[in-house]
Amino acid sequence: AQSVTQLDSQVPVFEEAPVELRCNYSSSVSVYLFWYVQYPNQGLQLLLKYLSGSTLVKGINGFEAEFNKSQTSFHLRKPSVHISDTAEYFCAVSRTSNTGKLIFGQGTTLQVKP
Amino acid sequence: DAGVTQSPTHLIKTRGQQVTLRCSPKSGHDTVSWYQQALGQGPQFIFQYYEEEERQRGNFPDRFSGHQFPNYSSELNVNALLLGDSALYLCASSLGASGGPSSYEQYFGPGTRLTVT
Repeated sequence: AQSVTQLDSQVPVFEEAPVELRCNYSSSVSVYLFWYVQYPNQGLQLLLKYLSGSTLVKGINGFEAEFNKSQTSFHLRKPSVHISDTAEYFCAVSRTSNTGKLIFGQGTTLQVKP
Repeated sequence: DAGVTQSPTHLIKTRGQQVTLRCSPKSGHDTVSWYQQALGQGPQFIFQYYEEEERQRGNFPDRFSGHQFPNYSSELNVNALLLGDSALYLCASSLGASGGPSSYEQYFGPGTRLTVT
């Protein structure tokens, strides 16, 4: 079975500061990795994904993430955050043999302060 | 390009009642997945429909059932509602038929907020 652990439930940060949201996963089989963002009262929007190739992936809104297979991590980073980045962020995995089922972490609330 | 749409936006039901939620996938998508997101939690996979059949299912009781229509839209039905069924129900669509990397990208709708009293 697969599981996802987001190591921080809340991350407060000042505007224009860098941020890292941490995600570790557990799986006995190969997985694909995703980060989604959820703004208040909205659905989930895909930020970025790792399927194969370069372990450093770039997504929308200036976010990037690095896949580290040895540490089973997929941390999300942004060099300079904006107030508009305040939202809930979810890390998710999917077995490479299974296109249907995303397994999500508990989420990390990013609070950007002016 | 129309994204994933869901209806209704909000719903209030009483314990023991039945509810039907609806989802229209993103244009060009043929696969629909449903997730339940309890307050303060990550979404949990309920089931997925492809070619009008349930392709796989998460750890949810039989009170949760679904249907997919020939136009790829889908319904989620929940019978004998419990207080614990109160949650945001998310529908996600993808292009399952391709089998390629794009089939792993799921696009989510805004959700239906179900409150059971």
